[in-house]
Amino acid sequence: QVQLHESGPGLVRPSQTLSLTCTVSGVSISSGSYYWSWIRQSAEKGLEWIGRIYTSGSTTYNPSLKSRVTISTDTSKNQFSLKLTSVTAADTAVYYCARAILGALDCWGLGTLVTVSS
Amino acid sequence: QSVLTQPPSVSGAPGQRVTISCTGGSSNIGAGYDVQWYRQLPGTAPKLLIYGNTNRPSGVPDRFSGSKSDTSASLAITGLQADDEADYYCQSYDRSLSWVFGGGTTLTVL
Repeated sequence: QVQLHESGPGLVRPSQTLSLTCTVSGVSISSGSYYWSWIRQSAEKGLEWIGRIYTSGSTTYNPSLKSRVTISTDTSKNQFSLKLTSVTAADTAVYYCARAILGALDCWGLGTLVTVSS
Repeated sequence: QSVLTQPPSVSGAPGQRVTISCTGGSSNIGAGYDVQWYRQLPGTAPKLLIYGNTNRPSGVPDRFSGSKSDTSASLAITGLQADDEADYYCQSYDRSLSWVFGGGTTLTVL
């Protein structure tokens, strides 16, 4: 059974870097034809795709966030991570990690609320 | 303003059939890209309901069905049940923006 779990600080100061990790169990993130993705959800913007990393390590980011986003993997820990720099209150959201195959997000983490505030 | 447009809300009585529309454009649904549908209960993560326009993952009842035509897609739910109350989202690929979501539709069972 595939499970994903997000972890990281729930509060980030404005202008700082948001860092989250997704721990995956039940499947290796370095095998198969999967995209490991980050999505966020806020009342203002709804569901917003942030970016993804393929099992090969190639990344694709939402153009609106591309200048601030980095997604990477740690295959030794079966984890992938999100870094979002220069955050503002507009980055406050529930952040989800998810697995995708052929464009469909078939397995999601529970989500973690990140608040940007001083 | 979402790239994919959904009605904010729909409603129906138990046992009825409801449909939720998802309207895109020539750079996403109209370009031939697949549409997915997700259901989200309050306080939980979205769950995949339909993938590849019409396909149901294992465990999803056949009361749920998807269709696609031109620049839009639809989710149909038959035999409406009280626990179908949830938020429903469509999702597709857009040439300029990559993966995009609809704004979501709240289904109320009367």
